[in-house]
Amino acid sequence: KAGVTQTPRYLIKTRGQQVTLSCSPISGHRSVSWYQQTPGQGLQFLFEYFSETQRNKGNFPGRFSGRQFSNSRSEMNVSTLELGDSALYLCASSSDTSTDTQYFGPGTRLTVL
Amino acid sequence: GQSLEQPSEVTAVEGAIVQINCTYQTSGFYGLSWYQQHDGGAPTFLSYNALDGLEETGRFSSFLSRSDSYGYLLLQELQMKDSASYFCAVSTGGSYIPTFGRGTSLIVHP
Repeated sequence: KAGVTQTPRYLIKTRGQQVTLSCSPISGHRSVSWYQQTPGQGLQFLFEYFSETQRNKGNFPGRFSGRQFSNSRSEMNVSTLELGDSALYLCASSSDTSTDTQYFGPGTRLTVL
Repeated sequence: GQSLEQPSEVTAVEGAIVQINCTYQTSGFYGLSWYQQHDGGAPTFLSYNALDGLEETGRFSSFLSRSDSYGYLLLQELQMKDSASYFCAVSTGGSYIPTFGRGTSLIVHP
């Protein structure tokens, strides 16, 4: 099976702009989660979608939003970008078993200038 | 809420054994996972413990003590390629999404 894919891999934006990131999960996985990773902060959970519904949400401001399509592909949007939003954004898919194993994509490196 | 504690950095020499500890505080504990992430790469799943005891997968083993809210990842016969960040993550019954620790940077010296 193909792994989790994310596009774009790298992105440079300026403050105030908005950005949309895309994630295609492993075939058959219905759960897609998004994480923000910055140095020293580990993996901060943003939100999780399952069957087109947001099932879990982390502690991020409303500028961060997402959605999931019927084919399980997911998008994440960040509006009014701030310098602190510069990070690696990781998408992970899961087969939703009791082990919750997350299969991560390569990430999108976002730089906000 | 949930919290996990793991050392920020561990160093060891090639061929040695290293243990990376993880303590957690959570309600509704379900299981403890470990992930490896090389610089510039994506985290990859290593192991999962739901019951007390040791799980062995090749050179890597993971241990869990539910009563102590503690687990560790044991890496044997260290190789240079084991230099990476290692994250513990706790799963609870209320969520299908694990909560990750801040990660431990393992540096293996020749």
